[in-house]
Amino acid sequence: GAGVSQSPSNKVTEKGKDVELRCDPISGHTALYWYRQSLGQGLEFLIYFQGNSAPDKSGLPSDRFSAERTGGSVSTLTIQRTQQEDSAVYLCASSLVAGMGEQYFGPGTRLTVT
Amino acid sequence: GQQLNQSPQSMFIQEGEDVSMNCTSSSIFNTWLWYKQDPGEGPVLLIALYKAGELTSNGRLTAQFGITRKDSFLNISASIPSDVGIYFCAGQRNSGNTPLVFGKGTRLSVIA
Repeated sequence: GAGVSQSPSNKVTEKGKDVELRCDPISGHTALYWYRQSLGQGLEFLIYFQGNSAPDKSGLPSDRFSAERTGGSVSTLTIQRTQQEDSAVYLCASSLVAGMGEQYFGPGTRLTVT
Repeated sequence: GQQLNQSPQSMFIQEGEDVSMNCTSSSIFNTWLWYKQDPGEGPVLLIALYKAGELTSNGRLTAQFGITRKDSFLNISASIPSDVGIYFCAGQRNSGNTPLVFGKGTRLSVIA
């Protein structure tokens, strides 16, 4: 079946602009995660949605970052007033709530803030 | 945020050689996972480990969940050119659906 998809694959934006990144999880996966990967680094957890529960926002680096998940499926990560340090690859993953928690990743969105 | 200690940071090996990399943590994890990431792609799950002491294989890959639950290793036998990439370990503190904590990765280069 289809894997996790993300759009856009690349985004270049000017400092101060807002951006929206989209994630479509694997069908039937009710847990959805956003991670950030800076150059040469591992993945850093940002936010986690599970079913209808309130999201775990403990990884968001500032209040400029927010995410929502509509209808328990598609998620949008929004970064307001982008800064150059926001440049990174933003990765989305999903997992089966009823499973062992193995997370499957999308290809990511490469964000460049100029 | 916290990251796992993964080593080595990079490796250059000859085709056909065996490879070993490991991850350690100061705290306990209940699940260990190993991912491989190719350029421009998201990480792909290779092996998942759920029990302390567990040894699991996936083709030429073998991974173990340390008995203390604070470490894991990944071995690749008889390396081939397509093994090139970045390998990440990831730990999960609670079973089920919780965020992963990642190592910084091991960049593997294979010389034919």
